[in-house]
Amino acid sequence: DADVTQTPRNRITKTGKRIMLECSQTKGHDRMYWYRQDPGLGLRLIYYSFDVKDINKGEISDGYSVSRQAQAKFSLSLESAIPNQTALYFCATQAGVGLRETQYFGPGTRLLVL
Amino acid sequence: AQTVTQSQPEMSVQEAETVTLSCTYDTSESDYYLFWYKQPPSRQMILVIRQEAYKQQNATENRFSVNFQKAAKSFSLKISDSQLGDAAMYFCAHTRSGYALNFGKGTSLLVTP
Repeated sequence: DADVTQTPRNRITKTGKRIMLECSQTKGHDRMYWYRQDPGLGLRLIYYSFDVKDINKGEISDGYSVSRQAQAKFSLSLESAIPNQTALYFCATQAGVGLRETQYFGPGTRLLVL
Repeated sequence: AQTVTQSQPEMSVQEAETVTLSCTYDTSESDYYLFWYKQPPSRQMILVIRQEAYKQQNATENRFSVNFQKAAKSFSLKISDSQLGDAAMYFCAHTRSGYALNFGKGTSLLVTP
């Protein structure tokens, strides 16, 4: 089984709808991240969480919110989806400072907002 | 702000040949980490190689190696004996200890038979 899973893998929604993207991990990592990928722009950080009680905004957090329900679960919500939020969304986990710093990515969620 | 620049939007290499992908970064930190990630058409982000800034020795992973020039803030990826399965988008990324990754915009690698 995959260490980092994302649901759904693909989603089509309409402008103004609320949508939640979910991420779960079995790696036991404390740190979790949400990134957004747009063509030609690489990946950009939306939100990150160092533990259940520590949630921080990234460079493009406007229009998004997150919830860290448990160490293993980190959800991203679009309160009122708009077309320019059409993108590929990645969740990633990281063991923590001093533990090789490597981030492990989920398979991604492709979101289309009509 | 930390920035990562990949100056080659697209590269092409013939099977069995060697190709080098360029990456430069900007940081004021002395302790940081650098990565190359591969994204094939499946869109999965796959770690190719990592380098700790405090290590002078260049990292290698089988056919993949880096040329890390700390003073020049350069971190290029060399792929030897290129294979068709190497065709993908390659992202260079930087992080200082304990923080999120900063990604470049990517280089699309085409491998021709």
